[in-house]
Amino acid sequence: KAGVTQTPRYLIKTRGQQVTLSCSPISGHRSVSWYQQTPGQGLQFLFEYFSETQRNKGNFPGRFSGRQFSNSRSEMNVSTLELGDSALYLCASSLTSDATYNEQFFGPGTRLTVL
Amino acid sequence: AQSVSQHNHHVILSEAASLELGCNYSYGGTVNLFWYVQYPGQHLQLLLKYFSGDPLVKGIKGFEAEFIKSKFSFNLRKPSVQWSDTAEYFCAPGGGNKLTFGTGTQLKVEL
Repeated sequence: KAGVTQTPRYLIKTRGQQVTLSCSPISGHRSVSWYQQTPGQGLQFLFEYFSETQRNKGNFPGRFSGRQFSNSRSEMNVSTLELGDSALYLCASSLTSDATYNEQFFGPGTRLTVL
Repeated sequence: AQSVSQHNHHVILSEAASLELGCNYSYGGTVNLFWYVQYPGQHLQLLLKYFSGDPLVKGIKGFEAEFIKSKFSFNLRKPSVQWSDTAEYFCAPGGGNKLTFGTGTQLKVEL
């Protein structure tokens, strides 16, 4: 079974631009969550999508948004990029959203550098 | 609001030494507890998990963790570490798919 895939693996953007990252979950998984990993703040939850609906949201500004398609693939978008958005963005997939016995599987991440 | 504290940021051990990494959390409601590991150059992998039942859970590669509800702790242990255990370890309590990660513990095992 293929794991979680994320594209692209590396991105370089300049301040003010916008960026879209993509995540394909494990086949059969319907929930996709996004996390931001930085040396200063560690791993922080961005949001979760399940059945094309946002289920949970972390404490990030509205510049960070996402969506999920009917095939469970998800994209996250960051508009008006700031230097502080430089980070590793991780996607995690799981079977369901609210099940007590749920667990998440992480992808390799997309390394975003904002210049 | 949920929070998690990992007490050790950097740990250096010799092979065959015993390991215990501390994790304390604050969480309202039913909480699931996870330890994830990130080996150099690899992505996050699940080490072990606790949902309910026996508070002593066993994971991959000989790791185990004990959930102590009264102390809000979920410490990770391994009786004898190997050089290949060199990695960063994250404690992550959560409800559903919203995990709150600790700051991580960088473990270096020396030969």
